Amino acid sequence: EAGVAQSPRYKIIEKRQSVAFWCNPISGHATLYWYQQILGQGPKLLIQFQNNGVVDDSQLPKDRFSAERLKGVDSTLKIQPAKLEDSAVYLCASSRGRQPYYEQYFGPGTRLTVT
Amino acid sequence: SQQGEEDPQALSIQEGENATMNCSYKTSINNLQWYRQNSGRGLVHLILIRSNEREKHSGRLRVTLDTSKKSSSLLITASRAADTASYFCATAFNNAGNMLTFGGGTRLMVKP
Repeated sequence: EAGVAQSPRYKIIEKRQSVAFWCNPISGHATLYWYQQILGQGPKLLIQFQNNGVVDDSQLPKDRFSAERLKGVDSTLKIQPAKLEDSAVYLCASSRGRQPYYEQYFGPGTRLTVT
Repeated sequence: SQQGEEDPQALSIQEGENATMNCSYKTSINNLQWYRQNSGRGLVHLILIRSNEREKHSGRLRVTLDTSKKSSSLLITASRAADTASYFCATAFNNAGNMLTFGGGTRLMVKP
């Protein structure tokens, strides 16, 4: 089966600009996640969707970050305006369901550099 | 702060040697998972161990879990150069859906 797809793979923007990332999960996976991974650290969960509803967004900086999964399949993550500290790899993952025994499958990530 | 903390932060060994990485966490968990990340293949799930399990094997990987000490270890036997990567533990809490909290990772280098 096809894996989790993400685009773009790389993005360079100036601070205060906006940027959007796209994710297409594995077919049939109801749960979708966005993680932020700063260089040298482990991934940090930003938001979790179950179908097209938000399950948890407690770690999403809502003053500048937004995410949606309108039809319960693809998802977009947006940053507006970007700050230097947003430089990171943004990983999308999906799983069959929300139960903790379901394996999460990760996409290749989008590497964002904010200058 | 992150829930899981790996030790050591970096490890360098020769091919054929065993590599052991440790993970400590702070609160009760439903399960603990180990992931590998390298530039070629991104973040890949290796093994999941439930809170009521003490040991699990998968090929050259052996994971142990000690819930009384809130710690886990990952052993890679007969390491290969291709095992060079960062290894992360991630914990899933009870009543928290499938939200994972990752540690900071151990960077493993296996020299040929």
